[in-house]
Amino acid sequence: SQQGEEDPQALSIQEGENATMNCSYKTSINNLQWYRQNSGRGLVHLILIRSNEREKHSGRLRVTLDTSKKSSSLLITASRAADTASYFCATTDSWGKLQFGAGTQVVVTP
Amino acid sequence: DVKVTQSSRYLVKRTGEKVFLECVQDMDHENMFWYRQDPGLGLRLIYFSYDVKMKEKGDIPEGYSVSREKKERFSLILESASTNQTSMYLCASIALPGQGSAETQYFGPGTRLLVL
Repeated sequence: SQQGEEDPQALSIQEGENATMNCSYKTSINNLQWYRQNSGRGLVHLILIRSNEREKHSGRLRVTLDTSKKSSSLLITASRAADTASYFCATTDSWGKLQFGAGTQVVVTP
Repeated sequence: DVKVTQSSRYLVKRTGEKVFLECVQDMDHENMFWYRQDPGLGLRLIYFSYDVKMKEKGDIPEGYSVSREKKERFSLILESASTNQTSMYLCASIALPGQGSAETQYFGPGTRLLVL
């Protein structure tokens, strides 16, 4: 069963706009991570937020975590065509095992 | 940079064949993982290993086995390939706390397997 579930499943925006996607999970976690996957390629780690953190920034990325609601959000500001990809959230248990959601497909049009 | 490599990007096999997927990481990571990725289902964990010769079942181990004879290499084996094992297979490794970049999994490029 999936631990993380992303919302929306698909998102289409124009360059320069912000893209926001959400992730909900079911059990307690050590941390939550966001990954990007370009079509047919491997996953690239974007950002990790620990269970005792509420917000984290990395470049144009902003991640929030609300452990009381078991949810996280990823915001991409000033999107670019190169941001077109699928984005996955994943939670980590004490072994380092990741539980992934089904992902959000983001399309950024010029 | 951490490098995780997989032996093949694309494979075509026939039903009943034995299939080996190899994964090698060069950062001395303890834990390694095999996932499969299918449309609409995200990534699902097949097996993982936390040490040489150690293995643990993930969420969907049926039809698969693994081998970890050396720390840097983690192999996924399909004993008798079936069409429902057509998928994208992703290998990953992770640094343990204290090894630097703790808890970040690094992924290989993936192997797209087609079983006819």
